[in-house]
Amino acid sequence: NAGVTQTPKFRVLKTGQSMTLLCAQDMNHEYMYWYRQDPGMGLRLIHYSVGEGTTAKGEVPDGYNVSRLKKQNFLLGLESAAPSQTSVYFCASRQPTGGREDTEAFFGQGTRLTVV
Amino acid sequence: EDQVTQSPEALRLQEGESSSLNCSYTVSGLRGLFWYRQDPGKGPEFLFTLYSAGEEKEKERLKATLTKKESFLHITAPKPEDSATYLCAVQAESGGYQKVTFGTGTKLQVIP
Repeated sequence: NAGVTQTPKFRVLKTGQSMTLLCAQDMNHEYMYWYRQDPGMGLRLIHYSVGEGTTAKGEVPDGYNVSRLKKQNFLLGLESAAPSQTSVYFCASRQPTGGREDTEAFFGQGTRLTVV
Repeated sequence: EDQVTQSPEALRLQEGESSSLNCSYTVSGLRGLFWYRQDPGKGPEFLFTLYSAGEEKEKERLKATLTKKESFLHITAPKPEDSATYLCAVQAESGGYQKVTFGTGTKLQVIP
């Protein structure tokens, strides 16, 4: 059972380049999330999805787009990378249970992105 | 605005020296408070969920407690393998969406 897998693990981009981060989960979870983690700041939500075909904005969505075409995958896109997007990106998934959404989240290993 | 503050930022303990980490929060409509452990270069790993004041949960050397304003993560007789960053997060109702706010974490180092 792999859980939540993120691809790639590391990436260096030049300013203005685009890229897509892939998150795949094998737990059949409904909800998926993309966070960024920066030194001295807590994890901040970029975008999230409550089911296949749905997406919604989180706290810091500017400069990012997402898609959830398949239930198990959640893609995060950077159309034109900026140095301010240098960060560690985490994907997470959770499964609401018995009508409750406050269930534990499972995180991937992270993608360390540097924009130069 | 929901706020989560963790203290101390860093804590250095001798092996066997018990201590507590604090997570104070300001939210309306708390649905749950989570503790996660994060090792360097890895994603957060779930430890506990607490739902209401007075609730306690234990796992090995860790015990989490919750009041209406804060949560404590008590570490009893820690071992070097307990060294990690411990993250607290609160989930609360926010405009029809259950928002999760993370603290910045406490970095724990346990010295043999």
